[in-house]
Amino acid sequence: EPEVTQTPSHQVTQMGQEVILRCVPISNHLYFYWYRQILGQKVEFLVSFYNNEISEKSEIFDDQFSVERPDGSNFTLKIRSTKLEDSAMYFCASRWTSGQWTQYFGPGTRLTVL
Amino acid sequence: EDQVTQSPEALRLQEGESSSLNCSYTVSGLRGLFWYRQDPGKGPEFLFTLYSAGEEKEKERLKATLTKKESFLHITAPKPEDSATYLCAVQAGETSGSRLTFGEGTQLTVNP
Repeated sequence: EPEVTQTPSHQVTQMGQEVILRCVPISNHLYFYWYRQILGQKVEFLVSFYNNEISEKSEIFDDQFSVERPDGSNFTLKIRSTKLEDSAMYFCASRWTSGQWTQYFGPGTRLTVL
Repeated sequence: EDQVTQSPEALRLQEGESSSLNCSYTVSGLRGLFWYRQDPGKGPEFLFTLYSAGEEKEKERLKATLTKKESFLHITAPKPEDSATYLCAVQAGETSGSRLTFGEGTQLTVNP
């Protein structure tokens, strides 16, 4: 069964460093998303991406964040200068097409900022 | 602003003891309501999508229902392996990239 994959599973970084989180969405999906979940809190939307551009972003997704689909299979989230409060689980999700609204989530990357 | 409230926050059942989880929502133009299961340290695992009031979906011991204001996830004769956090999310709006708004989840523990 096709699934969303994410790497790495755990990333530890120093405050102020740049990190790139990687995702491989389900192969025929067209819509891509990033969410985060701070420990003990609910899952929060960050950004959605379609047709090589951002469709929607939340207030969390400020200038420190960027997304990219560098090739036909990968979808990345970059945090330019990490802060302590960026520590969270980051989930990638993908969806097939308009009219099919279910998003399928990856296993997540645990980001720890020291 | 879209809002999702789940209750109870935590539920402890004995194996075989049926119960229901509640998800109340406030959204402008509901496109879909989604139930996910989340195990500790894992990503949300899709269970059901409901699109309109009156709709019901079933899978094994789980049944999801939807009204205009809330959704229920009914668990019949649960087993210990059903222990997890159950998340409810709504999708609204007319844009093709509509976000999911999640509730806090209900943490279910099923004791043998």
